[in-house]
Amino acid sequence: AQTVTQSQPEMSVQEAETVTLSCTYDTSESDYYLFWYKQPPSRQMILVIRQEAYKQQNATENRFSVNFQKAAKSFSLKISDSQLGDAAMYFCAYREGETSGSRLTFGEGTQLTVNP
Amino acid sequence: ETGVTQTPRHLVMGMTNKKSLKCEQHLGHNAMYWYKQSAKKPLELMFVYNFKEQTENNSVPSRFSPECPNSSHLFLHLHTLQPEDSALYLCASSKTRNEQFFGPGTRLTVL
Repeated sequence: AQTVTQSQPEMSVQEAETVTLSCTYDTSESDYYLFWYKQPPSRQMILVIRQEAYKQQNATENRFSVNFQKAAKSFSLKISDSQLGDAAMYFCAYREGETSGSRLTFGEGTQLTVNP
Repeated sequence: ETGVTQTPRHLVMGMTNKKSLKCEQHLGHNAMYWYKQSAKKPLELMFVYNFKEQTENNSVPSRFSPECPNSSHLFLHLHTLQPEDSALYLCASSKTRNEQFFGPGTRLTVL
């Protein structure tokens, strides 16, 4: 069974600084997708970034980038120039395969605090 | 706004009540999902529907009964719930090979 582990229950960062959130996963599959979702106090889950396992290039979305290490099964999220609005719970998630209706397996989440 | 709406946003019910949660997506997706989010726990997948057919039931108690009349609507019928069922219930939808889009959730409290 696939598992996703986020070993940092809480992290904090100063505004404008950079922070990295860790995620590891376990799978025997070669074709899968990885995601980072953000859940602010409103509880709305928002997709931050996605990575296809077959792509070697790390995904980037503006201030958000990932470090995808397939052999190590590691998928960390780097937030550059942190802003107060980045404060939220961040979830790493894994999805197998290409068919619709594929389940997402989530990690336990990391609560990020941004200090002014 | 993600294109996925949920009603009601908040619900308080007694253990003998019957209520329903509603989810609607306006994205043309073919798969819909129910998740439960309890405090201090990862999101738990409950049900998956693909093209209106249930493809996954993650050992959910029968007091939760899903219904998917079409690819745009998903319901979760609730009856004789327990206090431990109090949680945030999230609906999501997706299209083949794409990420899931989530609704804002229904905060359920069972007294």
